[in-house]
Amino acid sequence: DGGITQSPKYLFRKEGQNVTLSCEQNLNHDAMYWYRQDPGQGLRLIYYSQIVNDFQKGDIAEGYSVSREKKESFPLTVTSAQKNPTAFYLCASSLTLTEYGYTFGSGTRLTVV
Amino acid sequence: KQEVTQIPAALSVPEGENLVLNCSFTDSAIYNLQWFRQDPGKGLTSLLLIQSSQREQTSGRLNASLDKSSGRSTLYIAASQPGDSATYLCAVTPSGAGSYQLTFGKGTKLSVIP
Repeated sequence: DGGITQSPKYLFRKEGQNVTLSCEQNLNHDAMYWYRQDPGQGLRLIYYSQIVNDFQKGDIAEGYSVSREKKESFPLTVTSAQKNPTAFYLCASSLTLTEYGYTFGSGTRLTVV
Repeated sequence: KQEVTQIPAALSVPEGENLVLNCSFTDSAIYNLQWFRQDPGKGLTSLLLIQSSQREQTSGRLNASLDKSSGRSTLYIAASQPGDSATYLCAVTPSGAGSYQLTFGKGTKLSVIP
């Protein structure tokens, strides 16, 4: 079955540490996205990528970085510059024209310890 | 800037009842609207996608309608079941070339009581 795989499911970060969240899709979708979900705040866009080797900042990109070296993969790095990284992170993908909507992964819960 | 509002924030109904969840958006220039379901600690599952040219979509006990001119969508759930308990999110895609950013509502948390 086609879909989006996010790993790990749970991740713990120490103060000052960088961590990388994985997102892989086998849907042959062109565009990929990272969202952050906090209680009571809804989903907010961190970064998105329309094609390989290209990506754009979303509303809350500070303290995060991404890469898009392959069509199937869009990893997100949470850097030490992100002061409040504890949240639920969701990866999504879509065809370029988004006429068929978006598909989401199962999420990664990141906690600072 | 597009804003999406979902009312109510939480809803509790007895099993078997029909119910309606509401979603409103401020900018009618949308490409499509998508309804999602989210179980606690899980990702989003797509329920229905309505293109801007469509009025409604149906899947099983679910029916979603779209009135773009008034900036409203509703999700109708017939004969609710305890398994329908989840948070329901609506999201709009803006129209225009290169518009990829979904705007989400904060969701309606539904509890169906056996």
